[in-house]
Amino acid sequence: EAGVVQSPRYKIIEKKQPVAFWCNPISGHNTLYWYLQNLGQGPELLIRYENEEAVDDSQLPKDRFSAERLKGVDSTLKIQPAELGDSAVYLCASSVRDRGINEQFFGPGTRLTVL
Amino acid sequence: KQEVTQIPAALSVPEGENLVLNCSFTDSAIYNLQWFRQDPGKGLTSLLLIQSSQREQTSGRLNASLDKSSGRSTLYIAASQPGDSATYLCAALIQGAQKLVFGQGTRLTINP
Repeated sequence: EAGVVQSPRYKIIEKKQPVAFWCNPISGHNTLYWYLQNLGQGPELLIRYENEEAVDDSQLPKDRFSAERLKGVDSTLKIQPAELGDSAVYLCASSVRDRGINEQFFGPGTRLTVL
Repeated sequence: KQEVTQIPAALSVPEGENLVLNCSFTDSAIYNLQWFRQDPGKGLTSLLLIQSSQREQTSGRLNASLDKSSGRSTLYIAASQPGDSATYLCAALIQGAQKLVFGQGTRLTINP
């Protein structure tokens, strides 16, 4: 079974440019998460989707960040315009509640460098 | 607000030793606690998940325990190997919010 797929794996852009990350969750997982991981820190949740609905976007900086999961499967996270402080790893995860257990599985992440 | 803390931040031990990684959380209203491994430049690999009603989980040389009343979890690694070198992260799933709150991680180095 394929895991969570993310692309690109690495992205280098100049500040003020737009950037987009793509995630395809594990088949059948209705919940999708985007996390931000700064160097030396644990991941922090940006947004959580239940199917196509964003049910928790309280930590998403909405002035420059946006996300979508139009058909309730794959998702795109966008930053426009990017700032130097956005350099980090962007992780996507998915889960499905099975017998009361909600275990999250993570993709390899996209490492963003903003110059 | 749930806060998760991991001590120590880094640990270096000789191969073959048994070791314990510590994780503490401030709010006992958790749904489960998950331990992850992260290799440099890689994503997170789930190691063990302990539901709030459980006390421990075991997988091979790994054993994780959970004490909700004291807000603590430990990850025990038996007979450590160089391949165990990685950063280990614990995360508490908050009830209702279904949100994982992570610790900062413990960077483990096993010396041959």
